[in-house]
Amino acid sequence: GNSVTQMEGPVTLSEEAFLTINCTYTATGYPSLFWYVQYPGEGLQLLLKATKADDKGSNKGFEATYRKETTSFHLEKGSVQVSDSAVYFCALSDRTGGSYIPTFGRGTSLIVHP
Amino acid sequence: DADVTQTPRNRITKTGKRIMLECSQTKGHDRMYWYRQDPGLGLRLIYYSFDVKDINKGEISDGYSVSRQAQAKFSLSLESAIPNQTALYFCATMAAGTDTQYFGPGTRLTVL
Repeated sequence: GNSVTQMEGPVTLSEEAFLTINCTYTATGYPSLFWYVQYPGEGLQLLLKATKADDKGSNKGFEATYRKETTSFHLEKGSVQVSDSAVYFCALSDRTGGSYIPTFGRGTSLIVHP
Repeated sequence: DADVTQTPRNRITKTGKRIMLECSQTKGHDRMYWYRQDPGLGLRLIYYSFDVKDINKGEISDGYSVSRQAQAKFSLSLESAIPNQTALYFCATMAAGTDTQYFGPGTRLTVL
């Protein structure tokens, strides 16, 4: 079956530090990969996505590259801000079966201090 | 206005009570989902529906039921609430043929 593993948090950084949140996946088909972000008191919202190998998704200074050879989709940002403090979820959606039932990782909490 | 709304946003109830959580969407999406979120466990799928006549169990459907009253409405019921159903519940939608979900703001449910 499909699964997503992401690093446990919390990740605590100072403002302007470099961020990496690791995510690896297992899938039987050809998944799309996602990062969703959950700000305090809100629902999840799509941060970025990639639909095929070597694609790079980017948004709000965040980037992630779909690496099929390492089955990874690590999230990076060069300089984090306090406003980036949130929970980040890696997810995949396997289109092979046509069911589009996303599989989520457990989430990684990011805390950015001034 | 929010595209996916959930009511109530917060609810405290007692063991054994029947509870209904409601989700409405104005996005025109066919697919709707209910998840619960627990600290350290991420999101777990309870039920999902691909159209009004289609209801499917997710990984943790025991103790829950759903109703798809219309394309825009998908309700989750706890017939007899128990304390370990205390969690944050999210509704999500997805347009057919796409793979991006849109989430509501969540309902925080506490069962005493």
